[in-house]
Amino acid sequence: DIVMTQTPLSSPVTLGQPASISCRSSQSLVHSDGNTYLSWLQQRPGQPPRLLIYKVSNRFSGVPDRFSGSGAGTDFTLKISGVEAEDVGVYYCMQVTQYPQVTFGGGTKVEIK
Amino acid sequence: EVQLVESGGGLVQPGGSLRLSCAASGFIFSNYALYWVRQAPGKGLQYVSAISSNGDSTYYANSVKGRFTISRDNSKNTLYLQMGSLRAEDMAVYYCATAASDVWGKGTTVTVSS
Repeated sequence: DIVMTQTPLSSPVTLGQPASISCRSSQSLVHSDGNTYLSWLQQRPGQPPRLLIYKVSNRFSGVPDRFSGSGAGTDFTLKISGVEAEDVGVYYCMQVTQYPQVTFGGGTKVEIK
Repeated sequence: EVQLVESGGGLVQPGGSLRLSCAASGFIFSNYALYWVRQAPGKGLQYVSAISSNGDSTYYANSVKGRFTISRDNSKNTLYLQMGSLRAEDMAVYYCATAASDVWGKGTTVTVSS
């Protein structure tokens, strides 16, 4: 199975300041079809996960443009350009390249300083 | 409204069985592969099982293989997870989701305890 490693574990951020989360996979996430199936999910306290980003950098419908994804191969990043109070929660990267054996990163907790 | 609604969770003794259901609405259910994903208390997300859109192909995490069975009834727009030989480590909130992860249910809680 592909192992997904996220850093940091926790990210205290001042409101309005940027936040950045890294995700590294144990092997390349480039699929044989040429796409890279790396997604980012947000889980607010007490809520189910919600899709933010798919295929590295595509924002899902309704996701604010302060969220952006980048990366390639084995290294990926989620950035929040200016953290708002509603962004508090845990963020997970997820690989779907090895479907159906998807795997998740351990999660990064974003909290307000 | 596009939604998935899980049900069937509850308290079960170690070694017992439980069947979870996930009812879909607002989209063409039979077009979508689906997952079960679980989250133990205070922990991260863990893939459990997946099923193809027509139900012909099923997949399992090693931790549940031989104990859990995923199935679907496209005429009822419902996904199932039959869980057997339950262990303490199976205790979690169980979510159903589309394979594209664009739709998630709110989850149902499974508690394994004597």
